[in-house]
Amino acid sequence: DVKVTQSSRYLVKRTGEKVFLECVQDMDHENMFWYRQDPGLGLRLIYFSYDVKMKEKGDIPEGYSVSREKKERFSLILESASTNQTSMYLCASRKYGTGKLQPQHFGDGTRLSIL
Amino acid sequence: DAKTTQPPSMDCAEGRAANLPCNHSTISGNEYVYWYRQIHSQGPQYIIHGLKNNETNEMASLIITEDRKSSTLILPHATLRDTAVYYCIVRVLSGNTPLVFGKGTRLSVIA
Repeated sequence: DVKVTQSSRYLVKRTGEKVFLECVQDMDHENMFWYRQDPGLGLRLIYFSYDVKMKEKGDIPEGYSVSREKKERFSLILESASTNQTSMYLCASRKYGTGKLQPQHFGDGTRLSIL
Repeated sequence: DAKTTQPPSMDCAEGRAANLPCNHSTISGNEYVYWYRQIHSQGPQYIIHGLKNNETNEMASLIITEDRKSSTLILPHATLRDTAVYYCIVRVLSGNTPLVFGKGTRLSVIA
């Protein structure tokens, strides 16, 4: 089975801190994604990466950056954490494929609280 | 923006079939219908997908109308563990484009 592992299930940080959320997948997937999930808003895409060292902005990239130095790891960075970034963060990965379904596999999420 | 419309919530009695509707009236010819679900405190889980024919797997069945403007996910014998938020998504089959999740339907299976 595909395993997508997020480094922390729960995290508490202070306003202004630089925060790193880590995600690792073990199935050699090319595509990786970061979403945030908030009540009433569903999942919203922050950033995604087609492959190593590649990144694309999603729908809500402001206040975030990402790093994909190795294929298995996709990091989300909050440059200067703010209270409106308190949320559930979900990482996903998917194998690139043409003409064939490649579903996304999700981690169990990191619930981040910014105080 | 999500291209689908789903009811915000539904109830279903345990052991009965759960029928979850989804409207996707602007679906394009090369877009598939995907279903995911998210159980509390877990990440979303892929369930099933289809283009125009009905599909069935070990988890569920997917019924797509002939005009492809709507579909129904069927859980034939719902259990308490099927309580989750169910997301209907349309997108092309492959490539790098990410999923766009709407707000989904919160299904509550009641004993």
